[in-house]
Amino acid sequence: QKEVEQNSGPLSVPEGAIASLNCTYSDRVSQSFFWYRQYSGKSPELIMSIYSNGDKEDGRFTAQLNKASQYVSLLIRDSQPSDSATYLCAVTSNNNDMRFGAGTRLTVKP
Amino acid sequence: DTGVSQDPRHKITKRGQNVTFRCDPISEHNRLYWYRQTLGQGPEFLTYFQNEAQLEKSRLLSDRFSAERPKGSFSTLEIQRTEQGDSAMYLCASRTGTGANYGYTFGSGTRLTVV
Repeated sequence: QKEVEQNSGPLSVPEGAIASLNCTYSDRVSQSFFWYRQYSGKSPELIMSIYSNGDKEDGRFTAQLNKASQYVSLLIRDSQPSDSATYLCAVTSNNNDMRFGAGTRLTVKP
Repeated sequence: DTGVSQDPRHKITKRGQNVTFRCDPISEHNRLYWYRQTLGQGPEFLTYFQNEAQLEKSRLLSDRFSAERPKGSFSTLEIQRTEQGDSAMYLCASRTGTGANYGYTFGSGTRLTVV
């Protein structure tokens, strides 16, 4: 079992729709959770972090965390073509090095 | 703050040659990480430093790989006797603090092609 699992996609949504990206993790002691966006050929860019159960909103992005279910998600409202990218879920625990999922490729169609 | 810099951006080498990459982290960041990423996969952890101390090295990392951060500033990653399977994007990241609640800032990466 991989430490961090994501559906590889591709996930395709129309412009203006809500994109929902999901991630599960295996290490129960994981403490912090991050979403990175990676455009093709570029390096990952941090877009959201969440540490406590519940929702965290930042503009069009909402991260959701459920530690009991070992599940974290990212919602992108009013999706734009510029949101088309690969979204990486990452987790850290006490040893502090970050483990990444394989990423979900999102395509927003005009 | 000029971000995390990596050099070179691209490297093509023949199998069996040694290569060395450099990373300059954000100046106030005490932690520096090296990751490797292949097509369709997420970044895979290689090693990290807190200041000049190398605190963890992936068990998957071949002994052909070595990293240094001699003065707690820039870091180098060397691959000896390169193999075609070493072809990947090598990413450096840095962060501040020692707790778990800090995101990383990545450099632009070094793309290695072994022919």
